[in-house]
Amino acid sequence: EAGVTQFPSHSVIEKGQTVTLRCDPISGHDNLYWYRRVMGKEIKFLLHFVKESKQDESGMPNNRFLAERTGGTYSTLKVQPAELEDSGVYFCASTRTLGVNTEAFFGQGTRLTVV
Amino acid sequence: GQQLNQSPQSMFIQEGEDVSMNCTSSSIFNTWLWYKQDPGEGPVLLIALYKAGELTSNGRLTAQFGITRKDSFLNISASIPSDVGIYFCAGDMEYGNKLVFGAGTILRVKS
Repeated sequence: EAGVTQFPSHSVIEKGQTVTLRCDPISGHDNLYWYRRVMGKEIKFLLHFVKESKQDESGMPNNRFLAERTGGTYSTLKVQPAELEDSGVYFCASTRTLGVNTEAFFGQGTRLTVV
Repeated sequence: GQQLNQSPQSMFIQEGEDVSMNCTSSSIFNTWLWYKQDPGEGPVLLIALYKAGELTSNGRLTAQFGITRKDSFLNISASIPSDVGIYFCAGDMEYGNKLVFGAGTILRVKS
């Protein structure tokens, strides 16, 4: 079974440009999460999808960030326009269900550098 | 918002030594988790703790969930070179897997 995959693994863009990150969760996992780790700090929650619906987007930094999960399969996270402080590693995770004993599986992350 | 204070920030130890790291919080968590991140990879779950006071082992790893549900420690015995990486504690308040993470402990092992 394939794990959570993210694309690209690295992206370097200029301030003001647009970048789209993609996450393919484990097949059959209804729950998909985006997290971000900035400059060696803690990994922070961005948002949670249940299938195609946004369950919780309380961690999204501002309206320059747009996440979608059309069809409830893969998800994209678009940053437009990118700012320097958006640099960091963006992780995607997925779980089959919610509740106790539910393990979240993480992708390898996308390292975004805004210059 | 919720915050986990993880310490130490980094450790550089000799192979074979034991390692201890811990996390504290002002908030109560239902579940406490310890993850390891290898270079270029995403975090991988090492140990999950569900009950206050629970002590759980996974090979050379031992973790405990504090009685107050506000703290946890992770011990690694007899460290080996492949233990190198970043270790994160994480708490889940609502069983919804909206995890709150610590800042991580960077572990380096000298052979």
